[in-house]
Amino acid sequence: DTGVSQNPRHKITKRGQNVTFRCDPISEHNRLYWYRQTLGQGPEFLTYFQNEAQLEKSRLLSDRFSAERPKGSFSTLEIQRTEQGDSAMYLCASSLGAGREQYFGPGTRLTVT
Amino acid sequence: QQQVKQSPQSLIVQKGGISIINCAYENTAFDYFPWYQQFPGKGPALLIAIRPDVSEKKEGRFTISFNKSAKQFSLHIMDSQPGDSATYFCAAMEGKTGTASKLTFGTGTRLQVTL
Repeated sequence: DTGVSQNPRHKITKRGQNVTFRCDPISEHNRLYWYRQTLGQGPEFLTYFQNEAQLEKSRLLSDRFSAERPKGSFSTLEIQRTEQGDSAMYLCASSLGAGREQYFGPGTRLTVT
Repeated sequence: QQQVKQSPQSLIVQKGGISIINCAYENTAFDYFPWYQQFPGKGPALLIAIRPDVSEKKEGRFTISFNKSAKQFSLHIMDSQPGDSATYFCAAMEGKTGTASKLTFGTGTRLQVTL
């Protein structure tokens, strides 16, 4: 399968714990995006990388959230001191060069109890 | 502030009928308008997209109609099938160079195609 992959697919954690998600983009895609989707809503942009550089962060990305893409390949999204409001589907997408088409992974569903 | 407004919230169509979903936007910097299909528990899948220099784009049973002056665009699904039952999202992207090419999504339309 050469699509975008995300791990884990599901994560249940207790409030206050830290969690980390991983995204592997489509091979050779240099742009990588993180979005968050809550139930019944469309995805909302969180942050974006071009290669290893993080070029934009949404105001939704509080200081408890951090994303990295250290070698310009896979990316991680960490949430520290999770809150119940962090419960959502976290989606990763990738795109190639100047292409506008973004291809999404299956997402990681986070439940904070 | 919701930058892309989508309607209806839900839609029931009989098999073989035409499904129509509408979106409107305010930001005139948007210059790329994709539609995504999402099944429960899955990520959104790109269906079809349009640029504002054309008024219509067709791919198979899916057609986007675009009205630049009205700042509206719509998705038409011809000969709707039960397998089309999913949530559909419109989205938009700004065309500025040197800025992040993030997508702004509508709130989604839940389509049910009945037999």
